[in-house]
Amino acid sequence: DAGITQSPRHKVTETGTPVTLRCHQTENHRYMYWYRQDPGHGLRLIHYSYGVKDTDKGEVSDGYSVSRSKTEDFLLTLESATSSQTSVYFCAIRNREIDTEAFFGQGTRLTVV
Amino acid sequence: AQSVAQPEDQVNVAEGNPLTVKCTYSVSGNPYLFWYVQYPNRGLQFLLKYITGDNLVKGSYGFEAEFNKSQTSFHLKKPSALVSDSALYFCAVREGGFKTIFGAGTRLFVKA
Repeated sequence: DAGITQSPRHKVTETGTPVTLRCHQTENHRYMYWYRQDPGHGLRLIHYSYGVKDTDKGEVSDGYSVSRSKTEDFLLTLESATSSQTSVYFCAIRNREIDTEAFFGQGTRLTVV
Repeated sequence: AQSVAQPEDQVNVAEGNPLTVKCTYSVSGNPYLFWYVQYPNRGLQFLLKYITGDNLVKGSYGFEAEFNKSQTSFHLKKPSALVSDSALYFCAVREGGFKTIFGAGTRLFVKA
């Protein structure tokens, strides 16, 4: 998995609580992404980062924020979790040679009750 | 806006037979096209890409994909399927920039 670690791997949280997911990489890649995977929708981009403190929104960014204070860590925060945010979340990094999101973490399964 | 469609939710094939997983795309410019595979409880794994050049692209694990500009398709193929190829396959497209759009996925079942 090219040195990508997501934490936690599983989480159950209550509606209205804030949740932070962490993506950690060990290979100094510049571009990092957060996706959510839902049946029938494939993967949808939430936010991405193109460098430290440089982030931008994806197609489903409402209700999510991100931060990247150092190259190796990309944090995804659900500001006030809702049941519609129950999903599997994947972090990805872009490989410069392949020029696409080449490596994905193992995912975080989040359940909002 | 760019988009990608995988018209089949599931494809069933017998081991040893050729397999095809279909993908069509829509972009206004030149597409960057990709295929990924996902095994249970794992993240996606990159299989192959088309940027420019030969219409037949070869990738990992014996997979290949054929780019057809007139039909706006990028079908994934393998001459002889293995049971271990059973997984979820995603087609993706990017039209420059940093954002990649993924299809909904096609589940491949290879029966022994």
